Amino acid sequence: DGGITQSPKYLFRKEGQNVTLSCEQNLNHDAMYWYRQDPGQGLRLIYYSQIVNDFQKGDIAEGYSVSREKKESFPLTVTSAQKNPTAFYLCASRGVPGNTIYFGEGSWLTVV
Amino acid sequence: DAKTTQPPSMDCAEGRAANLPCNHSTISGNEYVYWYRQIHSQGPQYIIHGLKNNETNEMASLIITEDRKSSTLILPHATLRDTAVYYCIVRVGNSGAGSYQLTFGKGTKLSVIP
Repeated sequence: DGGITQSPKYLFRKEGQNVTLSCEQNLNHDAMYWYRQDPGQGLRLIYYSQIVNDFQKGDIAEGYSVSREKKESFPLTVTSAQKNPTAFYLCASRGVPGNTIYFGEGSWLTVV
Repeated sequence: DAKTTQPPSMDCAEGRAANLPCNHSTISGNEYVYWYRQIHSQGPQYIIHGLKNNETNEMASLIITEDRKSSTLILPHATLRDTAVYYCIVRVGNSGAGSYQLTFGKGTKLSVIP
């Protein structure tokens, strides 16, 4: 099936550790995004990438890093510099027609 | 992107039509209205979008007022599985330069009641 796959679904991190969330899409979409969602809140944009080897900071990029070496993949690293990383993380991609944005199932990150 | 206003919560009886309103009075001419829904602990699901004409697909209908300042998402026969938070978003729909980000507010929590 075509879609966006995020892994892992649940991840626990010790303070001071970096962790990487995986996002893979087989929709042949150029643009990909990472959002963060806190309980009861809307989505906030962390990073986005419009094409391979290019990415831009969103509204809350501090403490996060990304790479876009392949069209299908847009991994997000939550670094130890992110002071409050416990949240629900959503990966998305944008396709045609209509420039609609489609989301993965999300990854829960908890710092212990 | 234009800001939207939605009621925080609504109830709907199972089998009845659910009508979810959205105000977007500052929408500009090239901005589309998109609707998504999110079931707890899952990623948002795309439902429908439109520019100025009413739209219908297998999930829902979208009614946009003539002045485009408000719209209504209609789920014709709500089921328990339609219980979710529904987000109305307006954004540019073309492929011009920009971040293409979606600005999600808090949405409307729809509860479908047996």
